[in-house]
Amino acid sequence: QSALTQPASVSGSPGQSITISCTGTSIDVGGYNYVSWYQKHPGKAPKLMIYDVINRPSGVSYRFSGSKSGNTASLTISGLQAEDEADYYCTSYTRSGSYVFGTGTKVTVL
Amino acid sequence: QVHLLESGPGLVKPSETLSLTCVVSGYSISSGYYWVWIRQPPGKGLEWMGSIFDSGTTFYNPSLKGRVTISVDASKNLLSLKLTSVTASDTAVYYCARPGHGDGFDYWGQGTLVTVSS
Repeated sequence: QSALTQPASVSGSPGQSITISCTGTSIDVGGYNYVSWYQKHPGKAPKLMIYDVINRPSGVSYRFSGSKSGNTASLTISGLQAEDEADYYCTSYTRSGSYVFGTGTKVTVL
Repeated sequence: QVHLLESGPGLVKPSETLSLTCVVSGYSISSGYYWVWIRQPPGKGLEWMGSIFDSGTTFYNPSLKGRVTISVDASKNLLSLKLTSVTASDTAVYYCARPGHGDGFDYWGQGTLVTVSS
């Protein structure tokens, strides 16, 4: 199975909004509403930020939102803050009961 | 509160079998949900390795070509991972995880680094 495609890096100034895309196919992103997003800081375990495309776990800032159109899911971070600087990964359930992660995006706060 | 803790040898020789355990506390591993192993090689992205359901049904990443086995020991409340015929490319931080909300992995262990080297 091929990894989902994410931009290698995205940057923005504090207070700005950025969007990270996650492109798959009809057998993963496009076929199911089971896309999740994770924030990963070096040396730390990933943290769930969005699940089932649009849902935010309790405790996650409202500044994080998810969406999907066709085979592409997106994570938007609004009001960018220094603490948002991290790597972000999407993942999707796929046909055959497996999961596939995205290639990862490094978010830099300028 | 669900807590997961991975453990295992930090160093494995090439061609040998990597064996890790994930001790679960705060939740009975046989009470439902499913459990996964995920890894991250140094400087690279996350990779789903496989899942096991409370029924015992397993799903594995096809890229691991049959080298991986995930099992549960309900009596010890732990999850196990075995990866055979390891090579340097299996060097990674290995995580166990479980969903809590929908299909997202809420609960993660701290991760354990395994290095494959002679």
